[in-house]
Order: sequence, then structure tokens, then C-alpha cells
Amino acid sequence: RKEVEQDPGPFNVPEGATVAFNCTYSNSASQSFFWYRQDCRKEPKLLMSVYSSGNEDGRFTAQLNRASQYISLLIRDSKLSDSATYLCVVNRPTDKLIFGTGTRLQVFP
Amino acid sequence: GAVVSQHPSRVICKSGTSVKIECRSLDFQATTMFWYRQFPKQSLMLMATSNEGSKATYEQGVEKDKFLINHASLTLSTLTVTSAHPEDSSFYICSARGGGLAPDEQFFGPGTRLTVL
Repeated sequence: RKEVEQDPGPFNVPEGATVAFNCTYSNSASQSFFWYRQDCRKEPKLLMSVYSSGNEDGRFTAQLNRASQYISLLIRDSKLSDSATYLCVVNRPTDKLIFGTGTRLQVFP
Repeated sequence: GAVVSQHPSRVICKSGTSVKIECRSLDFQATTMFWYRQFPKQSLMLMATSNEGSKATYEQGVEKDKFLINHASLTLSTLTVTSAHPEDSSFYICSARGGGLAPDEQFFGPGTRLTVL
């Protein structure tokens, strides 16, 4: 079983749609959680950290459920520029980041 | 945010040659640098963790004699792929920690695409 599992997609959605991605992790001792965005052939960039209380940054909302070891990302009012691969990232207790394989999002006009 | 550079961005080499990739933190001192590898349509896989002035810690399955890591200063780490073979062709990305507000935040370099012929 992978440490971090994501649905690879692709998710094809029209502009303006709301889309949600899910992620599960296996190490219950993990403390930090992130969503990164990776564009094709580029390095990953931090989108947002994920906190237990849930957090929002503009059109993006992240949720964490520690009991279920589950993380989600909600994107509202999708833009063409949101097209990318979204990586769920969890830290191991030894301070190493473990990346999911990513969920690919394609927003069409 | 903090800036990390990598050089070269792209390299094509013949099988059997060695390739050195540099990773620099430009505006902060990186206490720790990480080296990742990403094959097409796969996730980033951590290869090794490097702390300034000490030996790198390699992940299971990564050959330390093949992937030489040097972290001589707080702003520079290098990865040398020795005797490269076609199966080493990949996207190599470094990251650095030490410049963010969060203690575990990592800043990624733009990556180096290695093609071994």
C-alpha cells in the first residue's frame, strides 16, 4: 500500500465548476499536510498547508480528517489556469515529505 | 517565498558519463536539502536528505555510490550521477528547507531533466 494515495484522474471540468480531490495517507504519526500544484514538466509549488480545523484560501478549501487519515481539496469556480496536477503531500515523522502521485485536473472553456 | 535554483535545467549525455547537478538557495541558508527524482506520470520520490557538513542520508534502494551528494555550504548542494545509464533518465528536483516560516516547509528548485542516450 502506498503511503499517500490519490485518484490520478484526470478530472475534466468546465470553467466555473466546483471540483474536489481526495487523498488518504497510511502513517497515523504524520503531522503536516500540504497540497502542492505541479504544472507539466515543472517543479511542484506549494498551494496550501492543511490544518485540522480546515482552511480556505480564496477559491481553495482544504480539509483534514485525522481519524480517517483523509485530506481533501475543494476548488470553486474553476479557472482555465487551474489546470494542473495536484499533489497531496504528507510529512513522515522524520520530517520527510511523501508525495502522492497526483490528481490531474483539466478545466475546459 | 524563498528561491531555489538548479543548474543545469536540462542535460543530455552519453551512457557512462557523469553528470553534476547544482542546487542553490539564493536568499536563505538551507539547513537541509533534499533530492528527488520523478519519472513520467509518477510521484516525486525522495532520493536522499542532505545536511550541510555531514554525509547525506539515502533512501532505501538508492545507491549512494552512484548518486553522490555533496552539501559543502548552507547555500549549495550538488548531486552527481556517476556512470549514467538510460534508466537514470528522469526529472531531478532539489528542495531546500530553512527559509520558510514553517519549520518543515520546503522550497523546490525548477528541476533538471536528464536524458541519457
